[in-house]
Amino acid sequence: DIQMTQSPSSLSASVGDRVTITCRASRGINNALNWYQQKPGKAPKLLISTTSRLQSGVPSRFSGSGSGTDYTLSISSLQPEDLATYYCQQNDNIPLTFGGGTKVEIK
Amino acid sequence: EVQLVDSGGGLVQPGGSLRLSCAASGFTLSDHYMDWVRQAPGKGLEWVARTRNKANNYATDYAASVTGRFTISRDDSKNSLYLQMNSLIIEDTAMYYCTRRGTSDRDLDYWGQGTLVTVSS
Repeated sequence: DIQMTQSPSSLSASVGDRVTITCRASRGINNALNWYQQKPGKAPKLLISTTSRLQSGVPSRFSGSGSGTDYTLSISSLQPEDLATYYCQQNDNIPLTFGGGTKVEIK
Repeated sequence: EVQLVDSGGGLVQPGGSLRLSCAASGFTLSDHYMDWVRQAPGKGLEWVARTRNKANNYATDYAASVTGRFTISRDDSKNSLYLQMNSLIIEDTAMYYCTRRGTSDRDLDYWGQGTLVTVSS
C-alpha cells in the first residue's frame, strides 16, 4: 500500500496569511493526488484533483502543486471560512489511501 | 444537481450485520465507479470498497481490513449503492460515506452526508 504522510498535523494562522500543507507519498504516484476539505461536522469536499486542477466553485486562493512523491496545497490568503481539516489522497493505486489530515485553525 | 443520500447506519453488536444504502440522483449511476469511505470518530479517512461501472463489469475491490466481511453492490435501475457489512467488529465503528468517482476516475467528486455505524455490546 502507498503511505501518505501529511504535515503539519495542525496549524494556526491569521486571516490573510499564506498557508502551505505538504503531502509525501511512499513512492511516486504520477500526479494522481487529490485534496479534500472537511469542515466540522460535514462530509469531505473535493478541492483539487490531479495535483493542481481546481474544482468548479473553489476559490482561486487555493492551489496545488507537486510531482513524484511530494505535493503541496497552498492557501494564498487565509479566510475565516477556511477553518477545516484538509486531506490528501492518492489515486494511483488501489487501495486508495489518505494522508492523516491537517487541521487549520484561525488565530 | 448531483445528490448522494446515505442511510442504514445504527447500533449493532459485535458479530452482527448491517446494510448501508446510498440513494443517488442527478446523474447516470451506471456511468460511474462508486466507493465507500469511512471515518472513525475523531480520526482520518479510510477507503473501504469500490465498484466499477457497467462498462467495466461492475468489478469490485476492497480494503484488506474488510475483505471477506463486507460486500459492495449496486442496483443502477434503482439508482442505489449498497454496503453489506457482516461479522462487524468494534473497529468498524465509523461514519460511512458513499462517494462518486469522477468520469475520468481521478477523484471522489461527490460525497454523501454519511451514516453512522456504531459497533458495541
